[in-house]
This record gives sequence, C-alpha cells and structure tokens, in this order.
Amino acid sequence: EVQLVESGGGLVQPGGSLRLSCAASGFTFTNYWMHWVRQAPGKGLVWVSRIKPDGRTTNYADSVKGRFTISRDNTKNTLYLQMNSLGAEDTAVYYCARGAYLDYYLDYWGQGTLATVSS
Amino acid sequence: QPALTQPASVSGSPGQSITISCTGASSDVGGYNYVSWYQQHPGKAPKLMIYDVSNRPLGVSNRFSGSKSGNTASLTISGLQAEDEADYYCSSYTSSSTYVFGTGTKVTVL
Repeated sequence: EVQLVESGGGLVQPGGSLRLSCAASGFTFTNYWMHWVRQAPGKGLVWVSRIKPDGRTTNYADSVKGRFTISRDNTKNTLYLQMNSLGAEDTAVYYCARGAYLDYYLDYWGQGTLATVSS
Repeated sequence: QPALTQPASVSGSPGQSITISCTGASSDVGGYNYVSWYQQHPGKAPKLMIYDVSNRPLGVSNRFSGSKSGNTASLTISGLQAEDEADYYCSSYTSSSTYVFGTGTKVTVL
C-alpha cells in the first residue's frame, strides 16, 4: 500500500525557515517524481515544486522560486521541502504527492502538514 | 502561471448530471493531453478522479468522465449522488515544466 506521511509543520515567525519531510513507503521511491502542493486555509490547491527520481532536476512555482528548495534522500525514501524567508502568504497545508509513473498527474497524496507563519 | 479558471460552484439534484469547466491556455490545457481532476472532501487530501483528460483510475466510478476541447477541459458527473458533494480541482502540466491547478469548484447536491 502506498503511504506518504508528511511532518515538520508548525508555527514560525515571518522571515523564518521550516523544513518539511515526507516519508514514503509501499512503492519503489527511486522510480518516481515527487511533488509538493499547498493549500492556504479555505483556499484552493497550488502546485509548489517537483523533483526527478535521481534528484538532479527540480521545478518550482514562481511564488516560491529562490526561497524554497526541494530535495530527496533515496536511501531513506524521504522527500523534503526547505522553506526560507517565509511570509504570511506561505501559511498553508503542505501535501506531498507522488507523480504518476511516466505520466503527468499526481496519483497518491499524503494527509498534509500545516505550516503557519505568524508573529 | 495563473490558475486555471473554474466556476466557483455547481449544483444539481440527485440523479442529475453536472459539468465543471476548466479553462486555461495553449501553454497548458490546450497544449497537452495532461489534464487531471481531483476530488477533495472537507479536511481530507485530494483524490485523483481523472487523468490524461479522460482516463479513470481503478476504483473510480464510471459516473465520472472527462473531456477537452481547445483550451477548456470538462469534468462530468452523471447520476449525481450525495457522496459526490465535494470540491473539485482540475490540473494541467505546462510548457514551463510546471503544473497548474484550477481555482476549484464546490459541487453541491441539492
């Protein structure tokens, strides 16, 4: 059974940093692109970033480029999102999702972790 | 990358059919057959309902169907049921090697 479990969310002050993690199990992690998607309270889904199976290629939404860094540890089957220079607009539930094999959709999602940016 | 445009809300009675539109541009919806649809119940994670414009994953009811014409994709739910009441989001791969979601549509079963 595919499982994605996010952690690392919490309360951080404006300008601060936070690192999210996503532990993956139930599939061959090294075969899949992995994604982060966020959802501000009461708002819609927003794609944030993705990373290639070997970790060498990454893409970002313009709203986070230069502030967020996606990475993965294939020895630990874990995906990360390092978030720096956080602002109130980054307050959201952050979902980890698996990219479909050799295709362009997200087939499995975690339950999300809430990151709150507030003083 | 601006969000794809969806109606804020759509409603229907049990048994009826409804259609949700998703309008983008030639750089996303119109340029690729990589449109997907997700259902999200309150407080839950999104669930894949349609991929590659019109394909259903295993386990998704055949009451859900997808299509595309030009820069607009559509999700149709036929035989509307109470359990279909949820938020629905479209998504597309883009020419910038990124993804974009729609603004979301709240489906209400009357």
